[in-house]
Amino acid sequence: DAKTTQPPSMDCAEGRAANLPCNHSTISGNEYVYWYRQIHSQGPQYIIHGLKNNETNEMASLIITEDRKSSTLILPHATLRDTAVYYCIVRASSGTYKYIFGTGTRLKVLA
Amino acid sequence: DGGITQSPKYLFRKEGQNVTLSCEQNLNHDAMYWYRQDPGQGLRLIYYSQIVNDFQKGDIAEGYSVSREKKESFPLTVTSAQKNPTAFYLCASSIRLYTGELFFGEGSRLTVL
Repeated sequence: DAKTTQPPSMDCAEGRAANLPCNHSTISGNEYVYWYRQIHSQGPQYIIHGLKNNETNEMASLIITEDRKSSTLILPHATLRDTAVYYCIVRASSGTYKYIFGTGTRLKVLA
Repeated sequence: DGGITQSPKYLFRKEGQNVTLSCEQNLNHDAMYWYRQDPGQGLRLIYYSQIVNDFQKGDIAEGYSVSREKKESFPLTVTSAQKNPTAFYLCASSIRLYTGELFFGEGSRLTVL
């Protein structure tokens, strides 16, 4: 599995866009980029995933660079409830590849 | 609503006692997992199960045991052999082993006194 690198922490003003970067320079052609978040003392929650193209859903947008070596999760209008740890994971869509959750990025949304 | 239910949410036990954490899912998923999370750390895989009556050790299985007698249920026992059992325990499931997204329960926080 490709390893990921994320900044340990970030702050964002409420109402502004939160842009969370992830580096995955060793990603393979069949590996997807997944994002989860974990609000304090709760289980992680799936946000979005993508392979090559940019993706958007009701929670967030995922921008993947053309060389696929990095990606950015965008929360378009951050609220206080978006304060959480965000995990970027790269893995194949099926098979024997584990889900590897590192320490993620601790996002604090400020009022 | 479909989901994963873990119980209890908080549990206190004396050192040397075994404790069992419950995990039930109604998502009709084949695969289930147990993770351990320590403060400020990522998730570490304890055990996983691909299908009923089958389970495999993860990265930190020592001192833990599991069973998978029903598709919906995957209980975890923290035995007295686990040297540092105080942690946050998370149960998860996916439609098949390592396929698609993981769905997590709300977690169980175990404190050993």
